[in-house]
Amino acid sequence: SQTIHQWPATLVQPVGSPLSLECTVEGTSNPNLYWYRQAAGRGLQLLFYSVGIGQISSEVPQNLSASRPQDRQFILSSKKLLLSDSGFYLCAWSGGTSGRRETQYFGPGTRLLVL
Amino acid sequence: KQEVTQIPAALSVPEGENLVLNCSFTDSAIYNLQWFRQDPGKGLTSLLLIQSSQREQTSGRLNASLDKSSGRSTLYIAASQPGDSATYLCAVRRAQAGTALIFGKGTTLSVSS
Repeated sequence: SQTIHQWPATLVQPVGSPLSLECTVEGTSNPNLYWYRQAAGRGLQLLFYSVGIGQISSEVPQNLSASRPQDRQFILSSKKLLLSDSGFYLCAWSGGTSGRRETQYFGPGTRLLVL
Repeated sequence: KQEVTQIPAALSVPEGENLVLNCSFTDSAIYNLQWFRQDPGKGLTSLLLIQSSQREQTSGRLNASLDKSSGRSTLYIAASQPGDSATYLCAVRRAQAGTALIFGKGTTLSVSS
């Protein structure tokens, strides 16, 4: 079976500090990977998605970047955090060798608070 | 630009009631529509997925319908239980490039015993 991990679960960072959130998927190969953000009072917003190693598409211009150094690893980064970066960050996967191309499966999320 | 709206934003019902959650989208050119459940502080759990060519999907006490031409979907929950309390999110997948899901803001359901 497939599982998706995110860490850390919770993070409190000062404005201007760097950020690195990690997501890994087990049990499938070549999945599509996604980063979403859920901010207070707003719906889930897609930030990045990746269809393969080193292939990143950005949905919205922002202070964040993403990388996919390995097939099942997706990293969300920032060089300098802003207050507006606070939110609940969710990683998701779909497709891959699992054959589950239509449904997206979400990780447990990372709650980020920028002070 | 695709926009997804969910009404109501919050709903409180006593245990045992049947209820309907509504989702509307502005662009009917969708590939599929998914309903998710989110418990407080947790990730999302997929409940039902309806392809654009389908009219409804059922799983246990849940039934989701899709009327693509009118841009509407409903999630019907039969015989609600306190364990159904959560936020329910509707998301549409764009028919064109990319596989992005566009989410509504959700309906927060509270079922009292």
